[in-house]
Amino acid sequence: GDSVTQMEGPVTLSEEAFLTINCTYTATGYPSLFWYVQYPGEGLQLLLKATKADDKGSNKGFEATYRKETTSFHLEKGSVQVSDSAVYFCALYNSNFNKFYFGSGTKLNVKP
Amino acid sequence: KAGVTQTPRYLIKTRGQQVTLSCSPISGHRSVSWYQQTPGQGLQFLFEYFSETQRNKGNFPGRFSGRQFSNSRSEMNVSTLELGDSALYLCASSMTSGGAGNEQFFGPGTRLTVL
Repeated sequence: GDSVTQMEGPVTLSEEAFLTINCTYTATGYPSLFWYVQYPGEGLQLLLKATKADDKGSNKGFEATYRKETTSFHLEKGSVQVSDSAVYFCALYNSNFNKFYFGSGTKLNVKP
Repeated sequence: KAGVTQTPRYLIKTRGQQVTLSCSPISGHRSVSWYQQTPGQGLQFLFEYFSETQRNKGNFPGRFSGRQFSNSRSEMNVSTLELGDSALYLCASSMTSGGAGNEQFFGPGTRLTVL
């Protein structure tokens, strides 16, 4: 079945460091891919998305490119801030099954 | 536009009891999905309702049930609570059910603790 695998955390970085959170997926057909962010005590917020191969999603300095050849959707940011500290979830939506599949989440801690 | 709201935000129950959680989707959204989030299992899909009909169901026992009303509000019920049901229950709404790029908007969740 479909699944999402993302790197385990926590990831601890200093402010202004470069961020990469790896995400790979297994899916039939042509899924849409998402990154969600969850701040403490809150629900998930959509960070960015890509609906087809080679699309790049971007928002708030975060970027991810839909790579069909490597079945990946890695999240990157050039310079993280303390306010980026949160849990990040990679997800895919498969319209064949009308279902979302979420990764296990990666906790990011950014130190000043 | 108001976001997805969930009530109550926190709930403490004892084993064997039942509980009902409520979710009000964004105005105009007709699809409501429910997820269970635990530290060990991450986000697990419970079910999705669209236009008062259950469209999809995850791998949870029959103790977990839900329904959707004509105004798209949804309730989730868990009967005969077990300790392992302690979790954050998240509700997400979307405009439609299905379709490429279908985006879900999440509520803040209901934190259920079973003692």
